[in-house]
Amino acid sequence: KNEVEQSPQNLTAQEGEFITINCSYSVGISALHWLQQHPGGGIVSLFMLSSGKKKHGRLIATINIQEKHSSLHITASHPRDSAVYICAVPGDYSGAGSYQLTFGKGTKLSVIP
Amino acid sequence: EAQVTQNPRYLITVTGKKLTVTCSQNMNHEYMSWYRQDPGLGLRQIYYSMNVEVTDKGDVPEGYKVSRKEKRNFPLILESPSPNQTSLYFCASSPPGLEQYFGPGTRLTVT
Repeated sequence: KNEVEQSPQNLTAQEGEFITINCSYSVGISALHWLQQHPGGGIVSLFMLSSGKKKHGRLIATINIQEKHSSLHITASHPRDSAVYICAVPGDYSGAGSYQLTFGKGTKLSVIP
Repeated sequence: EAQVTQNPRYLITVTGKKLTVTCSQNMNHEYMSWYRQDPGLGLRQIYYSMNVEVTDKGDVPEGYKVSRKEKRNFPLILESPSPNQTSLYFCASSPPGLEQYFGPGTRLTVT
């Protein structure tokens, strides 16, 4: 079973700061998910990536398959970015196991004006 | 509007009283899944379905049942709820191998 570690658990930043959230996993995977959960509870999928880098607006996700590590970056952070960010990985590399997701405990981000 | 809907959104019930939480998606997605979220434990997968009539256990299936008779619906059944099933439940769907769309969540309290 894949083990997922996220860091930091909590992060407070000033508006405008560059933010990095890290995710490490123990077993090789086909793809990794980054999710965002706002204080109201709803969950939105931000990225699904299997190699390299993806960018949506001020959000950038990178993954290093060899090192089993992914990072989520937020440039020019804003109070509306305040949320819990969660990474998730499949149980194994292929077949049905790729649909058995294991989640990190999440990183709670607070951006102060 | 493309969406995943769950009902009810909030439910308070008593131990042993059977209940069903419905999940429906209008995007013709093959894959659907149920998760529960608990403080300190994060999200954990209960059951998932790769298509109609194909379901499999996640990490915490005990005490739950699911069925997938139609592509759009994936209900979660608690035959005899217990207080340790008090949790926030999410349904999600996706095309094969792509990003998941989550429902709004169902907050269940079992007393």
